[in-house]
Amino acid sequence: AQKVTQAQTEISVVEKEDVTLDCVYETRDTTYYLFWYKQPPSGELVFLIRRNSFDEQNEISGRYSWNFQKSTSSFNFTITASQVVDSAVYFCALISNYQLIWGAGTKLIIKP
Amino acid sequence: NAGVTQTPKFQVLKTGQSMTLQCAQDMNHEYMSWYRQDPGMGLRLIHYSVGAGITDQGEVPNGYNVSRSTTEDFPLRLLSAAPSQTSVYFCASSYSMGYGTKEGYTFGSGTRLTVV
Repeated sequence: AQKVTQAQTEISVVEKEDVTLDCVYETRDTTYYLFWYKQPPSGELVFLIRRNSFDEQNEISGRYSWNFQKSTSSFNFTITASQVVDSAVYFCALISNYQLIWGAGTKLIIKP
Repeated sequence: NAGVTQTPKFQVLKTGQSMTLQCAQDMNHEYMSWYRQDPGMGLRLIHYSVGAGITDQGEVPNGYNVSRSTTEDFPLRLLSAAPSQTSVYFCASSYSMGYGTKEGYTFGSGTRLTVV
């Protein structure tokens, strides 16, 4: 079965702290893609990153970084020096058989 | 480019009414899909289409119909609205037959539907 688990329902940190959002996935596919999306309070869905199963290199984009580990089926997302504008719900998703399978999301609250 | 345009943004329906949620994209994406988002949950796929004239069911298709007569448009029809269909609906499109591109899927801004 294909499944994405985001065990952290809500995380609250003070601005400038680092925070890691966990994502664990299950799939039988040998080729698959993983995504992270951000949903700010305004409600739109914002693409952050796509990673394919053949590329285990970690990626950094400004204050954002992603750690993909096939051995543990995890695709974790770290925000360094968090800012209030990072407050949002973050979703991890797995694509399989033409479908994006979503985790339940982690609500991230950054306090000033 | 407008991207993915969804209308309306908000809608209130009475139980038993029917309506169509509109979705249009101007990026020539062959893949389009409809999701619903309920509180505390990720998005769930309702229906998808891999090209004009081709549609298929997702995880939660009951109570919804779709058609794809053009590449640009993918309307979602609620046949007889029920309170359980109260949700936020997102339309999404992509290149590459559902496997997205490096930029991922493009989502519409959502339609908040309430059925009373």
